[in-house]
Amino acid sequence: DQQVKQNSPSLSVQEGRISILNCDYTNSMFDYFLWYKKYPAEGPTFLISISSIKDKNEDGRFTVFLNKSAKHLSLHIVPSQPGDSAVYFCAAKADSWGKFQFGAGTQVVVTP
Amino acid sequence: DGGITQSPKYLFRKEGQNVTLSCEQNLNHDAMYWYRQDPGQGLRLIYYSQIVNDFQKGDIAEGYSVSREKKESFPLTVTSAQKNPTAFYLCASSIGGRDEKLFFGSGTQLSVL
Repeated sequence: DQQVKQNSPSLSVQEGRISILNCDYTNSMFDYFLWYKKYPAEGPTFLISISSIKDKNEDGRFTVFLNKSAKHLSLHIVPSQPGDSAVYFCAAKADSWGKFQFGAGTQVVVTP
Repeated sequence: DGGITQSPKYLFRKEGQNVTLSCEQNLNHDAMYWYRQDPGQGLRLIYYSQIVNDFQKGDIAEGYSVSREKKESFPLTVTSAQKNPTAFYLCASSIGGRDEKLFFGSGTQLSVL
């Protein structure tokens, strides 16, 4: 049973526009959320995280929003750049477990 | 440079053969993890270790084995009991604690001959 879901397998966006990636989770015990970016044949790299005590966290072009009541988070990338073309994974953790659960990923393609 | 080193980058397994994937980290992290990535799927946890000489099964441990004799090393053996071993394997480590994050190696692609 997948506890972290990324329902959009792919997203195409024009360079300079906003990319919005969505992630839903089912386990209310999750209290820490992360986004990772992955290029083919490479390991994922950390992008940004958010704790459940916040509803927004910003780092440069990347902003993550958390809606606990809806069990939903989103990643905004503004402006989108060609180097942002990659697979993006959402991950969640419940502090008492110490294990990270990952979504299936969203392939982002930034077009000129 | 601190980081996680996985080797080899590509590995081929013959029928009935056990193969071992190497993972070494010099980040002084206590926790280490093995994940498997299949096309169109997220990362699934195979095994994890939070301290030397101790490890726990993840969600898909059948057909795999690990050891954690040193803090820096967490090798994964794909045994002949794993009937569908073709996948991209990722090793990760973390410092532990509430707001930890995973640091990943560059992965090993395992294929069956």
